Amino acid sequence: DGGITQSPKYLFRKEGQNVTLSCEQNLNHDAMYWYRQDPGQGLRLIYYSQIVNDFQKGDIAEGYSVSREKKESFPLTVTSAQKNPTAFYLCASTGGVGTGELFFGEGSRLTVL
Amino acid sequence: AQSVTQPDIHITVSEGASLELRCNYSYGATPYLFWYVQSPGQGLQLLLKYFSGDTLVQGIKGFEAEFKRSQSSFNLRKPSVHWSDAAEYFCAVVPSTGGFKTIFGAGTRLFVKA
Repeated sequence: DGGITQSPKYLFRKEGQNVTLSCEQNLNHDAMYWYRQDPGQGLRLIYYSQIVNDFQKGDIAEGYSVSREKKESFPLTVTSAQKNPTAFYLCASTGGVGTGELFFGEGSRLTVL
Repeated sequence: AQSVTQPDIHITVSEGASLELRCNYSYGATPYLFWYVQSPGQGLQLLLKYFSGDTLVQGIKGFEAEFKRSQSSFNLRKPSVHWSDAAEYFCAVVPSTGGFKTIFGAGTRLFVKA
């Protein structure tokens, strides 16, 4: 079945460490997104990519980095510069301009100890 | 500024009762409108969407939503709630002029009591 796979599901890290969250899709979608979810704040856009080798900052990109070397993959690195990285991270994709419908992975919960 | 407002942080309904979740948006033109549902610790799933045409749209799991242009609203309804409907519900908009950025409301948590 087509879908989006995020890994790991749960991740713990110490302060000062970088961590990379994986996102893979087999939906043949061009656009991919990373969202951060905190209780009571809905979803906030971190980065998005419309095409391979191109990506744009979202609303809260500081302390995060991404790459898009392959159409099916869009990993997110949470760097030590992110002041409050403990959150639930969601990866999503969409099939085309203007359709808007997002397909989500099951999320990765990052906890900084 | 573009925004989506879900005025109810949480709602509790009895199983079998009807449900209405409110959503208002602030946008220059009528955007594309969506409702998503999220179970705890999971990703979001699309319930329904409105692009144009009939203002009453049907979705999965027995949900429907009505678009009211005059009120800039897109409220979600279900005539009879099941215990499995307990989840968080998000209203979202995308520019109809084309674009890649979805704007989400803060969400409404639905509790269902027996």
